[in-house]
Amino acid sequence: EAQVTQNPRYLITVTGKKLTVTCSQNMNHEYMSWYRQDPGLGLRQIYYSMNVEVTDKGDVPEGYKVSRKEKRNFPLILESPSPNQTSLYFCASSLGLAGVYEQYFGPGTRLTVT
Amino acid sequence: AQKVTQAQTEISVVEKEDVTLDCVYETRDTTYYLFWYKQPPSGELVFLIRRNSFDEQNEISGRYSWNFQKSTSSFNFTITASQVVDSAVYFCAHTYNNNDMRFGAGTRLTVKP
Repeated sequence: EAQVTQNPRYLITVTGKKLTVTCSQNMNHEYMSWYRQDPGLGLRQIYYSMNVEVTDKGDVPEGYKVSRKEKRNFPLILESPSPNQTSLYFCASSLGLAGVYEQYFGPGTRLTVT
Repeated sequence: AQKVTQAQTEISVVEKEDVTLDCVYETRDTTYYLFWYKQPPSGELVFLIRRNSFDEQNEISGRYSWNFQKSTSSFNFTITASQVVDSAVYFCAHTYNNNDMRFGAGTRLTVKP
């Protein structure tokens, strides 16, 4: 089954404790991205990757890091999480550029930073 | 700034009513794409439609229809004969530079039986 998976689905952590949210897709998609969803703001793009070793900032990259060492995986790293990063996070993948192709979204990761 | 405005935060209708969700976008580009996604209560995001800026034909898919008007920078979504299963948050999105995707804040639709 074609899908995007994220782990963990729920995470409660404390300020400053580094964490990684994993994202994996099995569709051989070149393009992957991370979004955060906050009430009243919709989804905002954090980072995207157009291929292995090619990543770039989205709309709200501050406080996040990503890497794309393999085509299927695109982890999101929070080196020193802060309470303002409490949010619902979505990973997405598409065949090509997000502006042209339909994006497939993962189930979401709800992160709470206390 | 290029942005997407969904002025209706919440809409509530009774089953079988028609409902239109508004979407207005700002863009400096001549070539761009517009999308609608649905987020049901279960939380996942479901793709509904993609439209490029050169195609202003209205589209109908079952009970769903979309009205794209470049002159007013709008891409509105109508559900005909709404059903309880249509209850969800609906997001309109716009991309420019073929990558930078901007979502609206979403419209929460509640369809009551």
